[in-house]
Amino acid sequence: GEDVEQSLFLSVREGDSSVINCTYTDSSSTYLYWYKQEPGAGLQLLTYIFSNMDMKQDQRLTVLLNKKDKHLSLRIADTQTGDSAIYFCAETSNRDDKIIFGKGTRLHILP
Amino acid sequence: SQTIHQWPATLVQPVGSPLSLECTVEGTSNPNLYWYRQAAGRGLQLLFYSVGIGQISSEVPQNLSASRPQDRQFILSSKKLLLSDSGFYLCAWTSGSYEQYFGPGTRLTVT
Repeated sequence: GEDVEQSLFLSVREGDSSVINCTYTDSSSTYLYWYKQEPGAGLQLLTYIFSNMDMKQDQRLTVLLNKKDKHLSLRIADTQTGDSAIYFCAETSNRDDKIIFGKGTRLHILP
Repeated sequence: SQTIHQWPATLVQPVGSPLSLECTVEGTSNPNLYWYRQAAGRGLQLLFYSVGIGQISSEVPQNLSASRPQDRQFILSSKKLLLSDSGFYLCAWTSGSYEQYFGPGTRLTVT
């Protein structure tokens, strides 16, 4: 079945760039997503990318997709304390209406 | 604009008691609706999803059930709660564009 894998933790110094990686198994994935979850809150959709795109940039966020390797990354430039959260990678396909989530990467910001 | 509501925000229930969590969406019609559970602040488990009134797909066998009595209302229920039902319950919706938006969540503690 479909699976989405992420590392569980990442520590980055304030002001540096954060790169959160994700791999997925479904070769028919159509959309790939990044969500942010702050403590005690629901998930906030940060950005998404169509499977026919290689890159998408939105202010401090850059999403890179390597479809051949089924690898997705989220780069956060100039990481700030407010970026501290859990980041979820997710994917969906045309086959059904489900979105499959990874377990989330907890981003910790060092002063 | 579209909004999604969940209530209650927090709930403490004894083992064996019934459960009813409600989710409503405003500003859209015929959305796909989803219930997720997040245990111990990590990972998202898809419990149920619905593509229309009265249409419920269950992802995992468990002590819970879902119903969709109206187009924009999704209810998660249990007749008898178990300790293992504790967690953070998230409702979400999508509408054609594959962007999935989440509610604020309900934290359920079963004692």
